Amino acid sequence: QSVLTQPPSVSEAPRQRVTISCSGGSSNIGNNAVNWYQQLPGKAPKLLIYFDDLLSSGVSDRFSGSKSGTSASLAISGLQSEDEADYYCATWDDSLNGVVFGGGTKLTVL
Amino acid sequence: EVQLLESGGGLVQPGGSLRLSCAASGLTLSKYAMIWVRQAPGKGLEWVSSVTGSGDNTYYADSVKGRFAVFRDNSKNTLFLQMNSLGLEDTALYYCAKGRLGVVGGDDWFAPWGQGTLVTVSS
Repeated sequence: QSVLTQPPSVSEAPRQRVTISCSGGSSNIGNNAVNWYQQLPGKAPKLLIYFDDLLSSGVSDRFSGSKSGTSASLAISGLQSEDEADYYCATWDDSLNGVVFGGGTKLTVL
Repeated sequence: EVQLLESGGGLVQPGGSLRLSCAASGLTLSKYAMIWVRQAPGKGLEWVSSVTGSGDNTYYADSVKGRFAVFRDNSKNTLFLQMNSLGLEDTALYYCAKGRLGVVGGDDWFAPWGQGTLVTVSS
């Protein structure tokens, strides 16, 4: 069971908007920056969003991040078939003294 | 271009040992903290270990503490993960990734990632 909670899956039609939530606590999201990683099928993870809401170099501005309190969200607008991937939130946990990942969310573009 | 290349994975019996390597190119490895992350077949990402740029400070997930050791040879621009007392639950694809700074902590993110090396623990 992951320290950060994400929905296992989300789905939406092309050109629509979807959000993926990431819920944590005061020792992780509440006190540290959240990063989001995209893992395309059969590929290594890739940094999408860092410091809660900053877009990594080369990433489409259809992706955006936000954080409030102990929860964070990743939004993807104008969905495209190539966005189908697993998405992970991650941050540092002060109590565990380590990096924690969400369980991952599989995005399906219908 | 920064590139990370893991190697050293393979098939090992329960209780055995394996040493993974992560060779870096296009950067001076000593300037950056590094992490190891693993992914069991069909599962999510699990943090394994972090090490500061100097190598002086190391951090481990509870699941590997006392069995795994991370260290680095900055002169060879290479990161290592020594894995001992391997169990079936250690079967996974192991990735290394570069941190933003030389220290480990709450304002860090990781990019790029290597392509991973597969460790299979089986009798």
